[in-house]
Amino acid sequence: EADIYQTPRYLVIGTGKKITLECSQTMGHDKMYWYQQDPGMELHLIHYSYGVNSTEKGDLSSESTVSRIRTEHFPLTLESARPSHTSQYLCASIAEMNTEAFFGQGTRLTVV
Amino acid sequence: GDSVTQMEGPVTLSEEAFLTINCTYTATGYPSLFWYVQYPGEGLQLLLKATKADDKGSNKGFEATYRKETTSFHLEKGSVQVSDSAVYFCALSDQTASKIIFGSGTRLSIRP
Repeated sequence: EADIYQTPRYLVIGTGKKITLECSQTMGHDKMYWYQQDPGMELHLIHYSYGVNSTEKGDLSSESTVSRIRTEHFPLTLESARPSHTSQYLCASIAEMNTEAFFGQGTRLTVV
Repeated sequence: GDSVTQMEGPVTLSEEAFLTINCTYTATGYPSLFWYVQYPGEGLQLLLKATKADDKGSNKGFEATYRKETTSFHLEKGSVQVSDSAVYFCALSDQTASKIIFGSGTRLSIRP
């Protein structure tokens, strides 16, 4: 059983609202990732972190931001939500490269 | 850079049929290779992995062999069940890469 949690599971929000998607893990992993998953299933890396106070942008340009103030917590924030942000967002963590990644159950975001 | 190419779907099979989902990779280092599975409404979970050439990963009747000479890691199962219906992702990670590299995913549907 993976000890990585995402909240909320589902969110419907109006255009222009600020939202924060939460991701927490209790495994002490330094490396954490945010992926956006489109309806065609493909995963797009939008942010990652190698540890506290380390954040990097991923391959897909995103208007979101992340922070890593504590090892276990890696929240993703959208300052002003738009319909184009409607998607599933997956958070993952990994102890070391070459080892298994653990995923949260995802947040399905709908912006109306 | 590193990349993963996997068979496009959707793949539809009858119960008890033989399954192959092809996956090939390019990598500059010595990656570990993974298959992840995503059931409807869930995050990804590890199905099997192999960490070096000629290793065979196996789990729940699924198998994949790390073939360095053909840079492949094809997923196979001898007799699929309806419960195997899901999306399957091939992936790699290595010490030189800063990210986990995923294929585009293959949706598998099994008919009773």
